[in-house]
Amino acid sequence: SAVISQKPSRDICQRGTSLTIQCQVDSQVTMMFWYRQQPGQSLTLIATANQGSEATYESGFVIDKFPISRPNLTFSTLTVSNMSPEDSSIYLCSVAPSGALSYEQYFGPGTRLTVT
Amino acid sequence: AQTVTQSQPEMSVQEAETVTLSCTYDTSENNYYLFWYKQPPSRQMILVIRQEAYKQQNATENRFSVNFQKAAKSFSLKISDSQLGDTAMYFCAFMKLDTGNQFYFGTGTSLTVIP
Repeated sequence: SAVISQKPSRDICQRGTSLTIQCQVDSQVTMMFWYRQQPGQSLTLIATANQGSEATYESGFVIDKFPISRPNLTFSTLTVSNMSPEDSSIYLCSVAPSGALSYEQYFGPGTRLTVT
Repeated sequence: AQTVTQSQPEMSVQEAETVTLSCTYDTSENNYYLFWYKQPPSRQMILVIRQEAYKQQNATENRFSVNFQKAAKSFSLKISDSQLGDTAMYFCAFMKLDTGNQFYFGTGTSLTVIP
């Protein structure tokens, strides 16, 4: 399985500001994903981070609010823009490894964001 | 759209006993995968077990096994010989094969193992 790290692990931000979350994988992976987990809730897919092209967003999520970069096969960033208290969540990066296990997903440790 | 339902928000089990967590899903697809993930208080999501829909044999990983009933669209997780370290949120997840690995998660079951 892939080893995934996220930075920061947690942050407290003021409303109206933006935060960029980094996701680093220890090996090249085909697919990377960003999820949101609101307090006490399940995971909701925000977008698929595509290497070399624009991210694919799920219904209810837009690029202006959650811009995503994927400059290479081991790294991605998610920015939460113009934050409001409703954005307080855990944000998780996941990856689908290449090859025979490409249907699985492995998750990073998450970034706990609190917006005041 | 795919939906995944976990009808047990919370469960508890005595240490060393067996517990079964329920999951049902709704899909018109024939080819898909099902997963159980564990999220302990550290919040790291850990893959517990997976099941390919085309396989009739139930998946098993050490103390974890599933009861996959494709016709009933049911995918329960059995944990045998429960250990304190099994205390966590457990999420059932569904993935279609042709959608770029898009996962649909259930709402989770909080399992507490009692010493």
